[in-house]
Amino acid sequence: DAGVIQSPRHEVTEMGQEVTLRCKPISGHDYLFWYRQTMMRGLELLIYFNNNVPIDDSGMPEDRFSAKMPNASFSTLKIQPSEPRDSAVYFCASRLGQGAKYFGPGTRLTVT
Amino acid sequence: SQQGEEDPQALSIQEGENATMNCSYKTSINNLQWYRQNSGRGLVHLILIRSNEREKHSGRLRVTLDTSKKSSSLLITASRAADTASYFCATPPSGNTPLVFGKGTRLSVIA
Repeated sequence: DAGVIQSPRHEVTEMGQEVTLRCKPISGHDYLFWYRQTMMRGLELLIYFNNNVPIDDSGMPEDRFSAKMPNASFSTLKIQPSEPRDSAVYFCASRLGQGAKYFGPGTRLTVT
Repeated sequence: SQQGEEDPQALSIQEGENATMNCSYKTSINNLQWYRQNSGRGLVHLILIRSNEREKHSGRLRVTLDTSKKSSSLLITASRAADTASYFCATPPSGNTPLVFGKGTRLSVIA
């Protein structure tokens, strides 16, 4: 298996623009997680899905953030409009049941 | 809120030495997991220790868990330059909830 796939790997955008991050989980995994990592706040859970259904989105910073999982093999995290303080590395991870969590390589987002 | 807190925040050692990192957590757990993150990369699962286990080994890794003190330690023996990374402990606060990560320990192994 190719592991968790994220795209793009790097994104540079201007404040106010819409940003869409993409994730393909490991085939067969029933949990998908979106995390954000910054030096100041460490690794924060934003939202997670179980069988494509959002279970807990309490970590989503504000209404500018939204996430979808239209099917078992694809999820998006959208920021609209983006702000400089959204600059971070965004990780997607997937898991089968209560097994180990597998992380993607991350998307480094820079909002200028 | 963070569940796991790693200590120290940064550690620098010579190649061949042992590296010990500690993790403290706040609430009851079913298991505790350690992850490694190389610079600019995603996290890689290293080892899981269950709440009824006290020690677990995997290669050069040794993990201990003291549920009475709500703490765990990760020991890397005979460290190598390739062990340079950030190490995170993570716990699922309850049941099937997702992991909560600490801020990590940055380990530097100098050749």
